[in-house]
Amino acid sequence: DTGVSQDPRHKITKRGQNVTFRCDPISEHNRLYWYRQTLGQGPEFLTYFQNEAQLEKSRLLSDRFSAERPKGSFSTLEIQRTEQGDSAMYLCASSLERIRSYNEQFFGPGTRLTVL
Amino acid sequence: GESVGLHLPTLSVQEGDNSIINCAYSNSASDYFIWYKQESGKGPQFIIDIRSNMDKRQGQRVTVLLNKTVKHLSLQIAATQPGDSAVYFCAEKAGGYNKLIFGAGTRLAVHP
Repeated sequence: DTGVSQDPRHKITKRGQNVTFRCDPISEHNRLYWYRQTLGQGPEFLTYFQNEAQLEKSRLLSDRFSAERPKGSFSTLEIQRTEQGDSAMYLCASSLERIRSYNEQFFGPGTRLTVL
Repeated sequence: GESVGLHLPTLSVQEGDNSIINCAYSNSASDYFIWYKQESGKGPQFIIDIRSNMDKRQGQRVTVLLNKTVKHLSLQIAATQPGDSAVYFCAEKAGGYNKLIFGAGTRLAVHP
């Protein structure tokens, strides 16, 4: 399977615990995005990487959230001191930069987080 | 699997009929608009996109129409099939980094 993969697919945690999610983009894609999706809503942008550089962060990404892409390949999203409001689907997407055109984003299956 | 969009508006169609899903967008400066399909338990899947300087674009069984005057986007699916049942989202590309802003989804239910 050469698509975007995410691990784990499901995570249940207790409030106050830290969680980390991993995203493996399509291998040649240099752009990587994280989105959050709650039930009944479309995905909301969280952050974006071009290679290893984190170039944009949404105001949704509080200080408890941190994302990395250390070698410009896989990425991790960590949530510290989880709150019940963090319960959502966390989606990763990747794309290949092309000049002067839309760069289709390919989404992974998501990690479903439930904070008890 | 999990259910996406429990409280979304639903469009119910008979198999073989044409479907039209509508979307309003907010940013007149957006240069690309995209339709995504999301099945239960899966991430969004790209269907078709349209650049802001176009009014219409056709794909296989799908057509996207863009009306910039009223900031309206529509997705037409011809000869709707049971496999088309899903939640459909429109999205607009915002900014230079391809950040996507998603609209409210519509659930398409195809009945035999």
